[in-house]
Amino acid sequence: EVQLVESGGGLVQPGGSLRLSCAASGFTFSDHYMDWVRQAPGKGLEWVGRSTNKANSYTTEYAASVKGRFTISRDDSKNSLYLQMNSLKTEDTAVYYCARVTSGSYPRWDDYWGQGTLVTVSS
Amino acid sequence: DIQLTQSPSFLSASVGDRVTITCRASQGISSHLAWYQHKLGKAPKLLIYAASTLQAEVPSRFSGSGSGTEFTLTISCLQPEDFATYYCQQVDSFPLTFGGGTKVEIK
Repeated sequence: EVQLVESGGGLVQPGGSLRLSCAASGFTFSDHYMDWVRQAPGKGLEWVGRSTNKANSYTTEYAASVKGRFTISRDDSKNSLYLQMNSLKTEDTAVYYCARVTSGSYPRWDDYWGQGTLVTVSS
Repeated sequence: DIQLTQSPSFLSASVGDRVTITCRASQGISSHLAWYQHKLGKAPKLLIYAASTLQAEVPSRFSGSGSGTEFTLTISCLQPEDFATYYCQQVDSFPLTFGGGTKVEIK
């Protein structure tokens, strides 16, 4: 059974940093691209960014709203995905989800998601 | 960036109703569109990909259609467990974008 479990959320002050983790199980993690998606309170879903796999040199893509502040990384030996968030702003307050991207060729979809971890940026 | 406009943003319906949600893209995206169901506090769930392909284990009352710039999600006979928020997503180009969501509530 595919499982994705996010952790690391919490309360942080504006300008601070936080690192989220996503523990994956039930599939060959190293084969898959992975996404981060967030949902601010009362708002819709917003794609944050993507990590490709080793075969594609772990390249990353980011939304403009987080580019230069957030970094996605992964450790295939630990079946884990990470989101390093720096220079946090109040508007980064959201539930953050990790999602597995389908294998195969373009186009790709987010076929499994975790239940999310809440990040609150407030003084 | 490709904008996705969903309508309606809110829908009140009864069990057994046929429900249709529309998603319009600001430019052509072929069939590179997915639909997700999201319930409060739960993981979003992929329902439809490639505009019209039903994800495994998703009930057949869900269907999708469209290509280019106009897409629809139809629930043929609304069930109690279908009350949720539905989102379309384009995967044609980065940044990936979602529609604003359609909340389906019980009438």
